[in-house]
Amino acid sequence: LAKTTQPISMDSYEGQEVNITCSHNNIATNDYITWYQQFPSQGPRFIIQGYKTKVTNEVASLFIPADRKSSTLSLPRVSLSDTAVYYCLVGPKNRDDKIIFGKGTRLHILP
Amino acid sequence: EPEVTQTPSHQVTQMGQEVILRCVPISNHLYFYWYRQILGQKVEFLVSFYNNEISEKSEIFDDQFSVERPDGSNFTLKIRSTKLEDSAMYFCASSSQGAVGNSPLHFGNGTRLTVT
Repeated sequence: LAKTTQPISMDSYEGQEVNITCSHNNIATNDYITWYQQFPSQGPRFIIQGYKTKVTNEVASLFIPADRKSSTLSLPRVSLSDTAVYYCLVGPKNRDDKIIFGKGTRLHILP
Repeated sequence: EPEVTQTPSHQVTQMGQEVILRCVPISNHLYFYWYRQILGQKVEFLVSFYNNEISEKSEIFDDQFSVERPDGSNFTLKIRSTKLEDSAMYFCASSSQGAVGNSPLHFGNGTRLTVT
């Protein structure tokens, strides 16, 4: 499973766009990049997944450069309810491998 | 939208007692997982389960832990003799095709286990 590095915490204000970047220098050819969101006392929730270029859904966008060694989760016009921990996961290529969460990025949205 | 359900939401037990945490994964999913999260810490992988057997397990998942899929719908985690350090949120997850590759995990809302 590719190791990921993300900022430990970020602050932003309501209405702003928030970009959280994740580094994954040893990403493998078959690895996907997946982001989860976790609110306090709840299980992680899938946000978005991508392999290359850009993916957009109703919640977020995911930007992946050509070398795939990093990815950026973009949350448009955040609100207070977007305060959560965001996890970037990469891989694995085998279906029953361990799926390991890192420490994530604690995003705090201020009014 | 189908969801993973976990019961109970909160379990209090005395040290040394056995506990069984229950999960009902999404019905057409084939891969099942248990994670735990000690308060203020990261989500830790415990075990993955596919085709009625354990696929992977972490160092945390020692002989005190076991998992079972007793019927077509439930997936359980048993801790044989609880310790104080087992106090945590325990999350069950399922996915249709396994792993991160092209099948994300769907998590339940967890069982908060308190060992006294």
